[in-house]
Amino acid sequence: QSALTQPASVSGSPGQSITISCTGTSSDVGSYNFVSWYQQHPGKAPKLMIYEVNKRPSGVSDRFSGSKSGNTASLTISGLQAEDEADYYCCSYAGSRIFVVFGGGTKLTVL
Amino acid sequence: QLQLQESGPGLVKPSETLSLTCTVSGGSISSSNYYWGWIRQPPGKGLEWIGSIYYSGSTYYNPSLKSRVTMPVDTSKNQFSLKLRSVTAADTAIYYCAAAAGGDVVVVVAAFRWGQGTLVTVSS
Repeated sequence: QSALTQPASVSGSPGQSITISCTGTSSDVGSYNFVSWYQQHPGKAPKLMIYEVNKRPSGVSDRFSGSKSGNTASLTISGLQAEDEADYYCCSYAGSRIFVVFGGGTKLTVL
Repeated sequence: QLQLQESGPGLVKPSETLSLTCTVSGGSISSSNYYWGWIRQPPGKGLEWIGSIYYSGSTYYNPSLKSRVTMPVDTSKNQFSLKLRSVTAADTAIYYCAAAAGGDVVVVVAAFRWGQGTLVTVSS
């Protein structure tokens, strides 16, 4: 059982927007603005897409955006493309004893 | 550009020690600009943070693995390692080494560079 809760799967058609939620607690997501999102294609290493809730690393498309409200963080992908089909994981800082928690992952299917 | 590469045995016997090395190129493991870490992923499952280390020698471990994990550093070879003792089949996973940029431990959640990963199977 993962510390952060994500939907197992989401889907959308090309051009549409989707949002993936990541629910934690007041000890992790709710307390820190250090939430990241990773994209992982089959057989590949994860790729950092969002860090510090809503910042994009250089080279990441602006179709990817992040936000947070209370204990829940969200990743929104607009203008869905076939290449966005992948697994997405959220990750949060969780204080000086646990440090890092991951979500269980969400499989995005582009219909 | 910073690059990381994992190496080590792909098969480890139960109760033995899993040992992996991550070789860093394009940057110094002694730099104060990075945290170095290990993350694993059981086949078909999600990601699990194992731990991270800073150039100062400070280490940060997943509490669930802390009693079995060490992360030594070899600055002469620009490498850091993972040693996981008393392994069981539950430790079978793809093991990734990764780098996070910044000077505070909170950055370890944002690993911007990853190795390709190496599958370690625990079996007799």
